[in-house]
Amino acid sequence: GQQVMQIPQYQHVQEGEDFTTYCNSSTTLSNIQWYKQRPGGHPVFLIQLVKSGEVKKQKRLTFQFGEAKKNSSLHITATQTTDVGTYFCAGPNSGAGNMLTFGGGTRLMVKP
Amino acid sequence: SQTIHQWPATLVQPVGSPLSLECTVEGTSNPNLYWYRQAAGRGLQLLFYSVGIGQISSEVPQNLSASRPQDRQFILSSKKLLLSDSGFYLCSGRDIDTQYFGPGTRLTVL
Repeated sequence: GQQVMQIPQYQHVQEGEDFTTYCNSSTTLSNIQWYKQRPGGHPVFLIQLVKSGEVKKQKRLTFQFGEAKKNSSLHITATQTTDVGTYFCAGPNSGAGNMLTFGGGTRLMVKP
Repeated sequence: SQTIHQWPATLVQPVGSPLSLECTVEGTSNPNLYWYRQAAGRGLQLLFYSVGIGQISSEVPQNLSASRPQDRQFILSSKKLLLSDSGFYLCSGRDIDTQYFGPGTRLTVL
């Protein structure tokens, strides 16, 4: 079945450093979504990318969808302590129920 | 958009006791609903999904069950909890292309 993998699993950075998480799907995706889960909280939708090669920005966050629509990345410039959390990518599952297949997440820790 | 309500927020239950977690949804009629479990520091494991009243699909065989008695109500149950049932349970709804999550129930089975 479809698999969505994320690397790295964990990342420690010093505040002000950049951070990138990578997402790879075993199948071509019609779109890819990114979610952020703060410690102790629930996942919150960040963005959806649909077009091949699409790049979207939200302040210090840059999201990219690969040309082949099988991979994506999230880059954070100059991390802040408020960026702490786990970032998940997710792609539509071709099965019933309009489900998403989530990656395992990248947990970001920022040292002040 | 959707608002997902879940309760309780935290729950401590002894092994062998029953479980009932309730989820209600505002904002969309006939939503697709999902139950996920998340172990500490881990990813999201899909347990059940429902495309309508009385329609439940199980993704992972286990001692949990789900029911959808009303359009906007989704319930997760167990007759006898196991230690391995501990985790963070998230109810989720799908609205067009966005997945919304409830605040979650943190279950500890002792």
